[in-house]
Amino acid sequence: NAGVMQNPRHLVRRRGQEARLRCSPMKGHSHVYWYRQLPEEGLKFMVYLQKENIIDESGMPKERFSAEFPKEGPSILRIQQVVRGDSAAYFCASSPGDTYGYTFGSGTRLTVV
Amino acid sequence: AQSVTQLGSHVSVSEGALVLLRCNYSSSVPPYLFWYVQYPNQGLQLLLKYTTGATLVKGINGFEAEFKKSETSFHLTKPSAHMSDAAEYFCAVGTRAGNNRKLIWGLGTSLAVNP
Repeated sequence: NAGVMQNPRHLVRRRGQEARLRCSPMKGHSHVYWYRQLPEEGLKFMVYLQKENIIDESGMPKERFSAEFPKEGPSILRIQQVVRGDSAAYFCASSPGDTYGYTFGSGTRLTVV
Repeated sequence: AQSVTQLGSHVSVSEGALVLLRCNYSSSVPPYLFWYVQYPNQGLQLLLKYTTGATLVKGINGFEAEFKKSETSFHLTKPSAHMSDAAEYFCAVGTRAGNNRKLIWGLGTSLAVNP
């Protein structure tokens, strides 16, 4: 039973490019959370999604960031026109429902050069 | 608004010594409290959690934490440190907004274990 799978593990993008981060939740999990960990900072909530719905995106920057969790396939966090300040570790977590029983993925470490 | 403060960004102990990592929280409603561990370049693993009931919570790898409402604390302890305990530890408080189970995190404490 695979855990939460995030890919890629490491992603390097030049300023202005797009970054697409993927998260496949555990089997049977329909709730996905994205968190960002900036250097020297703790984790910050970004967005909470259920299948085909964004439930809470209050932690997402207003511009350039978007997230989706389609009926089929992984959840995608998309960052357009990346800037150096977007360099961080992005973690996805999934749960089977209305619960704190999160399982985290290993994260995607984005470096913007 | 909820918040978490972890006292001490770096803690160093000798192998076999007591581990004490401090966490204080602020919450206007009864909190759900969590400790996670992060090994280098890995994701976060749940150590233990407090939701309701017994205030002394036992977790994996010999760790435990005690919820003290009067002190708004949820300190993490382990009687005898192992070299393998060296990692980053995060305290978090659960907030409920509708059915959103997002977590508010402390800044983390890096634990070093010396031989």
